[in-house]
Amino acid sequence: GDSVTQMEGPVTLSEEAFLTINCTYTATGYPSLFWYVQYPGEGLQLLLKATKADDKGSNKGFEATYRKETTSFHLEKGSVQVSDSAVYFCALSFLMNYGGATNKLIFGTGTLLAVQP
Amino acid sequence: NAGVTQTPKFRVLKTGQSMTLLCAQDMNHEYMYWYRQDPGMGLRLIHYSVGEGTTAKGEVPDGYNVSRLKKQNFLLGLESAAPSQTSVYFCASIDPGLAGSYNEQFFGPGTRLTVL
Repeated sequence: GDSVTQMEGPVTLSEEAFLTINCTYTATGYPSLFWYVQYPGEGLQLLLKATKADDKGSNKGFEATYRKETTSFHLEKGSVQVSDSAVYFCALSFLMNYGGATNKLIFGTGTLLAVQP
Repeated sequence: NAGVTQTPKFRVLKTGQSMTLLCAQDMNHEYMYWYRQDPGMGLRLIHYSVGEGTTAKGEVPDGYNVSRLKKQNFLLGLESAAPSQTSVYFCASIDPGLAGSYNEQFFGPGTRLTVL
């Protein structure tokens, strides 16, 4: 079935280090891909998205490129800050029929990022 | 706009007790969802609704019931709570007017439920 696999955490980095969080997916059809971020004690927020192959999503210095050939959507940031400490979820979405088109998100297990000063 | 709100924020139940979690959104979104978040398992879809008066099962519906009597509210009920239902529950909503598989789901802050 459709699934998302993320690298296990926690990932611990020093401030200004380079970040990569790996995400690969298995899906039938052509899903859209997302990165959501969850700060401590809060709900999930959309960080970035890509809707088709070779699209690059970017936001707040984070980037991810939709690679169909490797079925990957790795999250990167050139210089992390303490304020980036959070759990990051990779997710995919495709249409789910119920009397009409809707949306279903399939999440990876999440990766905890801890950035130290 | 308050966005998506959830009540209560925390709750402790004893096995066999019942309770209802309330999700409310003020964005006039048509579709609403309930997820549970467990360590090492990400978020899993429990039930969802594509409009007032409609509900459908998600990935892990057993032990839960839902109702969508008003467009802005989506209720999640546990009739007889079990320790396996200890989890963090998130509600989300989406505007299907922007049709396609790439729409953003807006999440509430979550409800932390412990069943003893």
